[in-house]
Amino acid sequence: DGGITQSPKYLFRKEGQNVTLSCEQNLNHDAMYWYRQDPGQGLRLIYYSQIVNDFQKGDIAEGYSVSREKKESFPLTVTSAQKNPTAFYLCASRDRGGGQPQHFGDGTRLSIL
Amino acid sequence: AQKVTQAQTEISVVEKEDVTLDCVYETRDTTYYLFWYKQPPSGELVFLIRRNSFDEQNEISGRYSWNFQKSTSSFNFTITASQVVDSAVYFCALSEAYANAGKSTFGDGTTLTVKP
Repeated sequence: DGGITQSPKYLFRKEGQNVTLSCEQNLNHDAMYWYRQDPGQGLRLIYYSQIVNDFQKGDIAEGYSVSREKKESFPLTVTSAQKNPTAFYLCASRDRGGGQPQHFGDGTRLSIL
Repeated sequence: AQKVTQAQTEISVVEKEDVTLDCVYETRDTTYYLFWYKQPPSGELVFLIRRNSFDEQNEISGRYSWNFQKSTSSFNFTITASQVVDSAVYFCALSEAYANAGKSTFGDGTTLTVKP
């Protein structure tokens, strides 16, 4: 079955540590996205990529980094510069063409130890 | 700038009641797309419907129906005869064709609780 796989499901970060969240899709979608969701709030865009080897900052990119070396993979690194990383992180992908809906993974819940 | 407002933070109904979730949007583009997604407790957002700005026809899919009105910039979602399985967070989203192509703006979501 085609879909988006995020791993791990739960992740704990120590102070000063960088952690990387994995996102893999087998839908052959060009565009991929990372969102952050805080309790009771909507989705805020961190980074997005519309094509391999290219990505743009979203609304809350500070303290995060990404790479897009392969079409199917879009990992997100939460750096030590992100002082409040505790949140639910969602990865999504979208097919080319105007107005295509996004397909989402199951999310990764990140907490600070 | 594009903006999506879901004024209802939480709604609680009893099973079999009808419920309407409101969505109001702002955009300067003349071509845009509106979406509704459902987020069950498992966390994954599930796509429900898409409308483009040139199609104001209302749509019905089983117990779900959507009312798109450009005159009031609204795209409301109604669940008829609600069921416990409808309990989830529902998000309305806007995607512009030109100004911010490739990006979507989400509302803050409405948490719907359907009690048996």
